[in-house]
Amino acid sequence: GENVEQHPSTLSVQEGDSAVIKCTYSDSASNYFPWYKQELGKRPQLIIDIRSNVGEKKDQRIAVTLNKTAKHFSLHITETQPEDSAVYFCAARASGYSTLTFGKGTMLLVSP
Amino acid sequence: EADIYQTPRYLVIGTGKKITLECSQTMGHDKMYWYQQDPGMELHLIHYSYGVNSTEKGDLSSESTVSRIRTEHFPLTLESARPSHTSQYLCASSERQAGEDNEQFFGPGTRLTVL
Repeated sequence: GENVEQHPSTLSVQEGDSAVIKCTYSDSASNYFPWYKQELGKRPQLIIDIRSNVGEKKDQRIAVTLNKTAKHFSLHITETQPEDSAVYFCAARASGYSTLTFGKGTMLLVSP
Repeated sequence: EADIYQTPRYLVIGTGKKITLECSQTMGHDKMYWYQQDPGMELHLIHYSYGVNSTEKGDLSSESTVSRIRTEHFPLTLESARPSHTSQYLCASSERQAGEDNEQFFGPGTRLTVL
């Protein structure tokens, strides 16, 4: 089955800096890669996703890049703000499968 | 408003009790999932369902059971709760369109403590 590795486990940045979280996956058949943000005490919420037919997707301050050859994808957050502080999860899903495989999460701390 | 609802939000019970965690969604989704998560930690899939009368076990071995008698309802039952079951349980749902699975939406979770 699919295995998703996520790094780093914790990331501390100063407000205004950029943050990058990286994930690798094992199943070359995976074609859907969402990123979820979970604030303290809240439910995970989708912030951006990418499918394997594109290499990059942007939404305001967040972007995701995908390298299918190397089987890795990354989340980029620019101009970080304290409200970006949360746990971020990457995930992967192969076509034809119903379930997502999640990474172990990255705790992002943005200091004012 | 279309959403996923979980009850109770918090539950403290004694060892050996039978409990049912409720999950309902008004989003019209065919797929539903149960995850176990310690706060801020990894999400472990314990059960999922493709639709009515369909249930599958997830990646994490669990002593719980589920049922899917109605599209919108996916309850999880623990026959005999133990302290090792102390965790947060998240319900989620998604739908398939044009042959592709779409975003999973999560419920607010049930925080279970077994004494």
